[in-house]
Amino acid sequence: DAGVTQSPTHLIKTRGQQVTLRCSPKSGHDTVSWYQQALGQGPQFIFQYYEEEERQRGNFPDRFSGHQFPNYSSELNVNALLLGDSALYLCASSSGQGANSPLHFGNGTRLTVT
Amino acid sequence: GDSVTQMEGPVTLSEEAFLTINCTYTATGYPSLFWYVQYPGEGLQLLLKATKADDKGSNKGFEATYRKETTSFHLEKGSVQVSDSAVYFCALSEGRDDKIIFGKGTRLHILP
Repeated sequence: DAGVTQSPTHLIKTRGQQVTLRCSPKSGHDTVSWYQQALGQGPQFIFQYYEEEERQRGNFPDRFSGHQFPNYSSELNVNALLLGDSALYLCASSSGQGANSPLHFGNGTRLTVT
Repeated sequence: GDSVTQMEGPVTLSEEAFLTINCTYTATGYPSLFWYVQYPGEGLQLLLKATKADDKGSNKGFEATYRKETTSFHLEKGSVQVSDSAVYFCALSEGRDDKIIFGKGTRLHILP
C-alpha cells in the first residue's frame, strides 16, 4: 500500500517563474493538505482540499493556488516565484474530517529559487 | 492566534539518557495535541497524540501528557537510542478540521 507520494523530489527554478508540485494521497484518503517548511522551521499550513474544493487556507498570498482531481490527487502551483519561496513543500493526506483523522505526510518536494 | 513553542535545539544526549523536550501552546479552545518526528531524509510521522486534558499519548517508549493547567505537552523518554536521532515537532489542531499548527522543531542527537 503506497503512502503519500510527491513529485518531483527536487526542483530548481528562477525568480519570477511558475512551478507545479504534485501529490498522490495514501490509498483511501480523500483530503489533501499542503505545507511549506522553510529551513530550520516547522511546517506552515498553506491550504487544504476536499471534494475538489479548497476547504481552508493559511496565511499565504494568492500566488499560491491548488487543485484537487477526482482521483483525490492534488497540485500546488506557485506563480511569480520569489527567493523566499525556497523551502520543502509537504503534502499530507487524511480521511474524513477532524483531528482524529491522522495526517500521513509525503517526503516532500525541495524547491530552490535562484 | 494559536501557536506552539518548543525548546530550541539541538539537544545532544548519550544513549540510554532520559529525554525531555518541552512544549507549550496557546489556543483559544480545546485543541488536540501532537508530537511528530522527522527522521533524516523522510517525511513527518505522527509519533503520538492526545485529544483532551490529562490524556497521555505514548508510542515507541515516548510519552507526553496533555496538561491544560500549564498549557503544556512535554515529550519524554526514559532511555533514548541512537535511532531516536531526528527532529521532533510539537503541534496542535483545533476545531473540526485537520489544519495543524507546528512548533519550530527540536533536533535531537543521540551519541553512542
